[in-house]
Amino acid sequence: VQLQQSGPGLVKPSQTLSLTCAISGDSVSSNSAAWNWIRQSPSRGLEWLGGTYYRSKWSNNYALSVKSRITINPDTSKNQFSLQLDSVTPEDTAVYYCVRDPNGDIGFDIWGQGTMVTVSS
Amino acid sequence: QSVLTQPPSVSAAPGQKVTISCSGSSSNIGNNYVSWYQQLPGTAPKLLIYDNNKRPSGIPDRFSGSKSGRSATLGITGLQTGDEADYYCGTWDSSLNAVVFGGGTKLTVL
Repeated sequence: VQLQQSGPGLVKPSQTLSLTCAISGDSVSSNSAAWNWIRQSPSRGLEWLGGTYYRSKWSNNYALSVKSRITINPDTSKNQFSLQLDSVTPEDTAVYYCVRDPNGDIGFDIWGQGTMVTVSS
Repeated sequence: QSVLTQPPSVSAAPGQKVTISCSGSSSNIGNNYVSWYQQLPGTAPKLLIYDNNKRPSGIPDRFSGSKSGRSATLGITGLQTGDEADYYCGTWDSSLNAVVFGGGTKLTVL
């Protein structure tokens, strides 16, 4: 299983951060896995942002700290999922990872390569 | 400030054993599974332990995990210089409805 991230490394303040994670070797529609975004910065450490999963229907969980600004969407036609974070500020500067949780028990076993996103004008 | 508390650093000599603690509360560690991650410089975290004490395939049995009450512990035996890394614990927090992590522990193999 591999996760391949794509998206810009530089975003202007107040704009939207958009990243995509392409899945190979598993399915975004898996009935056991959850697909997550986690970021890491020196000031905030590892921070879980949210995830999406399919259990007869699609559901999302989001961290309270970003709940008003975040959208995570699955794309079954391309077997991928995406992150959108609106109204970014310099505090959103971090390395962003897409991550698989194969059984929904917070054992993150597969990580994307990471994308360093800088919020700056 | 992280929800889970880890010591900032630990150190030990090659061949020795070290333990890293992770303390929380009844809403996280006390009632949910704990996982542990190793992060080498410049790389993504790597899963070492899940469900408190299970090792993914390929993780040597030098790495072990345990949980008691509101605390969890990662143990590493037969320390090697290649074990120098940052180690993180993580779990679900039922009050926050979110995944939470510790602040990380830097392991130095002297």
